[in-house]
Amino acid sequence: AQKITQTQPGMFVQEKEAVTLDCTYDTSDPSYGLFWYKQPSSGEMIFLIYQGSYDQQNATEGRYSLNFQKARKSANLVISASQLGDSAMYFCAMREGPAGGTSYGKLTFGQGTILTVHP
Amino acid sequence: GAGVSQSPSNKVTEKGKDVELRCDPISGHTALYWYRQSLGQGLEFLIYFQGNSAPDKSGLPSDRFSAERTGGSVSTLTIQRTQQEDSAVYLCASSLGRGKNTIYFGEGSWLTVV
Repeated sequence: AQKITQTQPGMFVQEKEAVTLDCTYDTSDPSYGLFWYKQPSSGEMIFLIYQGSYDQQNATEGRYSLNFQKARKSANLVISASQLGDSAMYFCAMREGPAGGTSYGKLTFGQGTILTVHP
Repeated sequence: GAGVSQSPSNKVTEKGKDVELRCDPISGHTALYWYRQSLGQGLEFLIYFQGNSAPDKSGLPSDRFSAERTGGSVSTLTIQRTQQEDSAVYLCASSLGRGKNTIYFGEGSWLTVV
């Protein structure tokens, strides 16, 4: 089974509207971390937001928030007030095991969602 | 520098030749990672360094791939006897280390094997 599934190959949103990018994950490890990255056409991976499996509240970073539903194993990214500069590929990723464990550096990535923001 | 620096940014090499890709992490970051991204694909983990040691080499696709890190800073990924399927973007990332969750990526080295 895929560890990280992003079911939306492409998404379109109007400027200034909110958009949700879906991510579901599969793990039997009780300790894990979930990441979202943005990859513009330049190729650089830009860290957006992190959610730990034991975090009680949903993570937020500016216009980005993570809708973490642990029982459903979903970690959707919500971008509020979309901007033209948000057009990019977005990747969801997971690290299994505790932050201090030997698997710390190994992120498993989804296939990505291409977001296009229309003016 | 301010971010993770990788060189070369682009490399075209002939099949069978060896290539070296370099990564200079963010100053003070003890953890360093190498990933590979093939065209239109997600990222594939290759190797992880904590300091100069590599606790996890499980992602290296074959024994033609090796990586080292010296002085707890710069890392070199070496691909020997390159094959066309090695063509990809090789991304390096770094973080402050265990317990720190923000992992910063460089812009990658685009490798084309012809």
